Amino acid sequence: AQSVTQLGSHVSVSEGALVLLRCNYSSSVPPYLFWYVQYPNQGLQLLLKYTTGATLVKGINGFEAEFKKSETSFHLTKPSAHMSDAAEYFCAVSNFGNEKLTFGTGTRLTIIP
Amino acid sequence: DTAVSQTPKYLVTQMGNDKSIKCEQNLGHDTMYWYKQDSKKFLKIMFSYNNKELIINETVPNRFSPKSPDKAHLNLHINSLELGDSAVYFCASSQGLAGPREQYFGPGTRLTVT
Repeated sequence: AQSVTQLGSHVSVSEGALVLLRCNYSSSVPPYLFWYVQYPNQGLQLLLKYTTGATLVKGINGFEAEFKKSETSFHLTKPSAHMSDAAEYFCAVSNFGNEKLTFGTGTRLTIIP
Repeated sequence: DTAVSQTPKYLVTQMGNDKSIKCEQNLGHDTMYWYKQDSKKFLKIMFSYNNKELIINETVPNRFSPKSPDKAHLNLHINSLELGDSAVYFCASSQGLAGPREQYFGPGTRLTVT
């Protein structure tokens, strides 16, 4: 069984401030972890993913995430928020041989000018 | 050139009607999915097809019937629509089963049942 918990359904940061979106996962086998972004009235787009290897993963638009096995976490960060980052962010988990991608409940990121 | 497309984008209909949503991908992928996103933005998989074969069938009412005429298309037919079916439905595709693979999502179909 696998699951994802995203702490904070709504996060607000000032433009230029650090963005930190939290994700914790549960998986009985080594996980594959993803962050997707959904802009208003659009489908989801992959930001970044962790499968194996380097635990610090860099994605598009300046985002990165670090896989921490001991903490079962995969938090998403960006050093400096931009107005265009306002969107809904979803963390998701899968694993080897699993046909299913399980999503968290999402975090809405608001950027304050 | 749209990778995953869905039609229609909006669908407003009355309870009891039957409706279909179409999905097409031009990425050459062999696996396609239907997801339902509720009013709280929770995204849950409904069905998955791999090479036209049903792989995942979550606990979805049998009023929902997916059909995959070929690898590039996955349609969703819904019978006897209910108020609770109102949601945004997303089609997605990937090359191979989920695992480590990126899924490409369509723009969604917003279904409103009145």
